[in-house]
Amino acid sequence: DAGVTQSPTHLIKTRGQHVTLRCSPISGHKSVSWYQQVLGQGPQFIFQYYEKEERGRGNFPDRFSARQFPNYSSELNVNALLLGDSALYLCASSKTPLIDEKLFFGSGTQLSVL
Amino acid sequence: GDSVTQMEGPVTLSEEAFLTINCTYTATGYPSLFWYVQYPGEGLQLLLKATKADDKGSNKGFEATYRKETTSFHLEKGSVQVSDSAVYFCASRSVVGDKVIFGPGTSLSVIP
Repeated sequence: DAGVTQSPTHLIKTRGQHVTLRCSPISGHKSVSWYQQVLGQGPQFIFQYYEKEERGRGNFPDRFSARQFPNYSSELNVNALLLGDSALYLCASSKTPLIDEKLFFGSGTQLSVL
Repeated sequence: GDSVTQMEGPVTLSEEAFLTINCTYTATGYPSLFWYVQYPGEGLQLLLKATKADDKGSNKGFEATYRKETTSFHLEKGSVQVSDSAVYFCASRSVVGDKVIFGPGTSLSVIP
């Protein structure tokens, strides 16, 4: 079975632009989470979706938004990009949002903002 | 708020040495605790987990015990191999909210 897939793998944008990142979860997984990983740091939680509803939001500005589609894939949108948004964006899927559930991570989208 | 602290790296060990990576957490309620590993060029993957006090998670020779009294979840391996070179992240997931909180990561290099 395919793992969590993310696209694109790399992206270069300029300040003020908008970006959309995409994630396809493992088949049968209904929960998708997004994390931001700055070089040298641990992943920081951005959003979690389960059954197309937002279940959690991290401490990120309103420029960040996301949604989950009926097939459980997800998009992360970032508006008005800042230099500080440069990071690896990780998508993780799991069967449920229960606290002991194992997360399966994609390889990420490396976003560079110039 | 909830947080995870782990020992600073990088850590360099010789093959067959003993490994300990310290991890402590603060959390509301009784979180589940995890160690994730990121091998060079690969995505994060779960190494082991423990869901209640005194539970021991184990996988690939690695072990960690959920210590509620010291709020710790230290990762240990008796004899490391070159293939264990990676970045290790301690993480918690609390009963309050659904997010997983990660520590800053500890880079391990094992030399022959």
